Amino acid sequence: DTAVSQTPKYLVTQMGNDKSIKCEQNLGHDTMYWYKQDSKKFLKIMFSYNNKELIINETVPNRFSPKSPDKAHLNLHINSLELGDSAVYFCASSLTGENTIYFGEGSWLTVV
Amino acid sequence: SQQGEEDPQALSIQEGENATMNCSYKTSINNLQWYRQNSGRGLVHLILIRSNEREKHSGRLRVTLDTSKKSSSLLITASRAADTASYFCATDFYGPGDYKLSFGAGTTVTVRA
Repeated sequence: DTAVSQTPKYLVTQMGNDKSIKCEQNLGHDTMYWYKQDSKKFLKIMFSYNNKELIINETVPNRFSPKSPDKAHLNLHINSLELGDSAVYFCASSLTGENTIYFGEGSWLTVV
Repeated sequence: SQQGEEDPQALSIQEGENATMNCSYKTSINNLQWYRQNSGRGLVHLILIRSNEREKHSGRLRVTLDTSKKSSSLLITASRAADTASYFCATDFYGPGDYKLSFGAGTTVTVRA
């Protein structure tokens, strides 16, 4: 299936741990994003990569480090997890010149 | 800060009724988009309206855009239970070498059978 897929879908972890969320798209897009959706459903962009290069970094703490090994993948690594990091993280992708962004199904992160 | 703000935050209607939600934004836009998010799922693109358009239709969806008021509305006609979801407006931003969408907090629509 053509899609933006991200894993894991659910993640429960303790404060202080380090965790990663992986994302892959097979839509042939050249731009990928990470969005964070909080408990009030606000959806806020965190990062965007275009052809593996970081384009947008929206004042996200240094504990969050995206990595794009190629333009089809954008992983998110989070160090020293805090309670406030609990949220749903969405990976998304788009093609330069087109306006529609395609979202993954989300990764529900709960920090306890 | 969030670019788009949807109103109302929540809406409950009977199946067959129309649902209208509004979006206000702060700065000039190129396009405005509406997305739907079913519970526990990702966002799905519904419709895009360009800044030089005033109205657009897609099936049971009707979107209007008033750039002078910096507002848009989404109308879902003859609603169905399957329309139960959160609806988000998104405004675009083109920076040097980048493109991003800014979303509001959405309107949660519940369609009662």
